[in-house]
Amino acid sequence: RKEVEQDPGPFNVPEGATVAFNCTYSNSASQSFFWYRQDCRKEPKLLMSVYSSGNEDGRFTAQLNRASQYISLLIRDSKLSDSATYLCAVTPWGGYNKLIFGAGTRLAVHP
Amino acid sequence: NAGVTQTPKFQVLKTGQSMTLQCAQDMNHEYMSWYRQDPGMGLRLIHYSVGAGITDQGEVPNGYNVSRSTTEDFPLRLLSAAPSQTSVYFCASRFDRDTEAFFGQGTRLTVV
Repeated sequence: RKEVEQDPGPFNVPEGATVAFNCTYSNSASQSFFWYRQDCRKEPKLLMSVYSSGNEDGRFTAQLNRASQYISLLIRDSKLSDSATYLCAVTPWGGYNKLIFGAGTRLAVHP
Repeated sequence: NAGVTQTPKFQVLKTGQSMTLQCAQDMNHEYMSWYRQDPGMGLRLIHYSVGAGITDQGEVPNGYNVSRSTTEDFPLRLLSAAPSQTSVYFCASRFDRDTEAFFGQGTRLTVV
């Protein structure tokens, strides 16, 4: 089983839609969690960190469910500019610098 | 603000050739990593370092060597390139295990 798993998609949604992605992790003692955004042929960039109590940044909401070992990303009021690949990343317990990524979920927002 | 700088951006190698991918960061980060990204595979960790003189293997270390003689630099060496090493390589650095990683712009490597 992979340490971090995501549904690869693609998710094709119209503008204005709400879309949610999940990401599961296998190490129950994982310590830090992130969502990254990657545009085609570009480097990943941090979208948001994920905190235990959940956190929101504008149209984006991230949540952590330790009991079920997954993190989620909710995007409200999707924009064309949200089209990208969304990568979740986890630092496992004892992983020092290790930051393990999922394979990414592709989102395509259409008019 | 340079951040993480990778060179070269593109490279074509012949099978069996060696080369070094350069990575430098100016943020005084102790933690640095190398990843490769292949279609449908996401980012896979090759090697990482928690400080000068300290390196360790990631998920896919075979065929690659690293060293960390300074805080700023973390080069990745391909000793004998193989077509299976055709990929996009990203270098990343982070302040500590709970903070975000910053990525270089990537090196697109083709081995023929």
